[in-house]
Amino acid sequence: EPEVTQTPSHQVTQMGQEVILRCVPISNHLYFYWYRQILGQKVEFLVSFYNNEISEKSEIFDDQFSVERPDGSNFTLKIRSTKLEDSAMYFCASSEGGTRNSYEQYFGPGTRLTVT
Amino acid sequence: AQSVTQLDSHVSVSEGTPVLLRCNYSSSYSPSLFWYVQHPNKGLQLLLKYTSAATLVKGINGFEAEFKKSETSFHLTKPSAHMSDAAEYFCVVSKGYSTLTFGKGTMLLVSP
Repeated sequence: EPEVTQTPSHQVTQMGQEVILRCVPISNHLYFYWYRQILGQKVEFLVSFYNNEISEKSEIFDDQFSVERPDGSNFTLKIRSTKLEDSAMYFCASSEGGTRNSYEQYFGPGTRLTVT
Repeated sequence: AQSVTQLDSHVSVSEGTPVLLRCNYSSSYSPSLFWYVQHPNKGLQLLLKYTSAATLVKGINGFEAEFKKSETSFHLTKPSAHMSDAAEYFCVVSKGYSTLTFGKGTMLLVSP
């Protein structure tokens, strides 16, 4: 069964460093998403991406964040200058899209980002 | 705006007994509702979804949920718990193709 994959599973970085989190969505999916979950808190939406551009973003997704689909398979989230409060589990998701029955989102296992 | 409230942070049941995980939603439009499950070190897996068809929705692994508009609820049930059901469960609301809004999650503990 096709699945969303994410690498790395765990990333430790120092405050102020840039990190790139990588995701490989399901191959025929057209919509891509990033969510995050700070320890003990809700899963929160960050950004959605369709047709090579951001379709929606939350207040959390400020200028420190960017997303990219550099090739036909990868979808990345970059944090330019990490802060302690960026420590969280980051989930990538994808959906086929197009019709009401094909927009359900499939999630990857997550990348745990620890900023020290 | 949309929101979800999961009324219990933890639910403990014995194997073979019924499961009830409660969820109430708030939405200014006709919502789509989902339940996702997360096992330790795994991704979020879709259990079931409601998209304005039948109000009683059947999902995987014997779970089902009933959409009750009058009560703004979408509780998740299972007649008989199995040890493998122990996980965290998230109730989620969405506006169609749009982003998902998650509840805080309910940890289901199943004892032998």
